[in-house]
Amino acid sequence: QVQLQESGPGLVKPSGTLSLTCAVSGGSLSSSHWFNWVRQPPGKGLEWIGEIYHGGSTNYNPSLKSRVTMSVDKSKNQFSLKLSSVTAADTAVYYCARDSAGIVRGYFDYWGQGTLVTVSS
Amino acid sequence: DIQMTQSPSTLSASVGDRVTITCRASQGISGWLAWYQQKPGKAPKLLIYKASTLESGVPSRFSGSGSGTDLTLTISSLQPDDFATYYCQQYNSYPWTFGQGTKVEIK
Repeated sequence: QVQLQESGPGLVKPSGTLSLTCAVSGGSLSSSHWFNWVRQPPGKGLEWIGEIYHGGSTNYNPSLKSRVTMSVDKSKNQFSLKLSSVTAADTAVYYCARDSAGIVRGYFDYWGQGTLVTVSS
Repeated sequence: DIQMTQSPSTLSASVGDRVTITCRASQGISGWLAWYQQKPGKAPKLLIYKASTLESGVPSRFSGSGSGTDLTLTISSLQPDDFATYYCQQYNSYPWTFGQGTKVEIK
């Protein structure tokens, strides 16, 4: 059973950088899946942030692309998200999620439990 | 970006009711649509992908249909465990986008 677990600071100062890590267990990061970040502001809907493949290829949401960096650490079977120049609008629950593998992919079959990140001074 | 619009935003229903939620895409998505269920404080759970394919382990009372720009999620007989918020998501083209959600409440 694949499990994903987010970790990182729950409080980030405005203009700072949000940094989160997602540890993958029960499966390999080096499989044929892409791994994603999705966020959800309190009481609002879901927003896809971007995805990364084990080889380092990435796709980012254009609305966040200038501030997002994703990376993988295959030795630790985990991947990471950095979001720079944060504001209160970046306050959200951040989820990591595994993409479905296959010829057509893009939906998420496994999710982490989510971690709340608050941007405040 | 492809905009996904769900209706209704909130739905009040009783146990045993047949419930239908609609998701309209701003352009054709060739059936590349997923549906998720989310309960308070929990991560979304995949219900359906490719518009109508039921994810393993999901009860058969859930079904998806539609094509082009108008797709639907139907719960044939609402159960107590089904009161939750439901989201559609297109994966036809980047960036992947979600509908705003439909909250299914107890009537």
